[in-house]
Amino acid sequence: AIWMTQSPTLLSASTGDRVSISCRVSQGISTYLAWYQQKPGKAPELLIYGASTLQSGVPSRFSGSGSVKDFTLTISRLQSEDFATYYCQQYYTFPPVFGQGTKLQIK
Amino acid sequence: EVQLVESGGVVVQPGGSLRLSCAASGFTFDDYAMHWVRQAPGKGLEWVSLISRDGYSIYYTDSVKGRFTISRDNSEDSLYLQMNSLRTDDTAFYYCAKGPTGNYFPYYFDYWGPGTLVTVSS
Repeated sequence: AIWMTQSPTLLSASTGDRVSISCRVSQGISTYLAWYQQKPGKAPELLIYGASTLQSGVPSRFSGSGSVKDFTLTISRLQSEDFATYYCQQYYTFPPVFGQGTKLQIK
Repeated sequence: EVQLVESGGVVVQPGGSLRLSCAASGFTFDDYAMHWVRQAPGKGLEWVSLISRDGYSIYYTDSVKGRFTISRDNSEDSLYLQMNSLRTDDTAFYYCAKGPTGNYFPYYFDYWGPGTLVTVSS
């Protein structure tokens, strides 16, 4: 089974900051990785797929990078609406598996 | 605009049964694979089941195999999840999610419904 480890689990930042979230995978997955944003009481929303391809409508301050086992989600200039929980998900092998989540909170 | 709306979540006793529904609109439903993903309150996301566009390819996570059945009615643009022998650890928000293609791969989720809460408790 594939293991996904996100770090940090909790991230405190301020509006305007640049932040990065790491996702490490227990085995190589090429670039078959997606990132989601989930706000309290809402469903997740797809941000990025293919490790770095921005989903239509997602602001360009979001970017993804990485391959094989190490991936990063970066938000270049935090906006108030970006404070949420972020999940990575691999889709290289079946079944699809999510990371445990990173909560991005206001400092 | 893609819309997915789940229904059917209620409080049910352990060992009971429940059928969830997901009404889809804003896209050609029978062109896409569909999934159920769940999230226990305050916890992370767990993929549950997948059905291909034509309904012939179906997959489940191990913990629900033999208890849950996914199905779809392309004439009604609807997805279903029949849940039997429910356990307390099935308590979760259940999300209907759309795959990006008609095949079972790639299995990420480009649109999600708002979710419906299933509570299994005596």
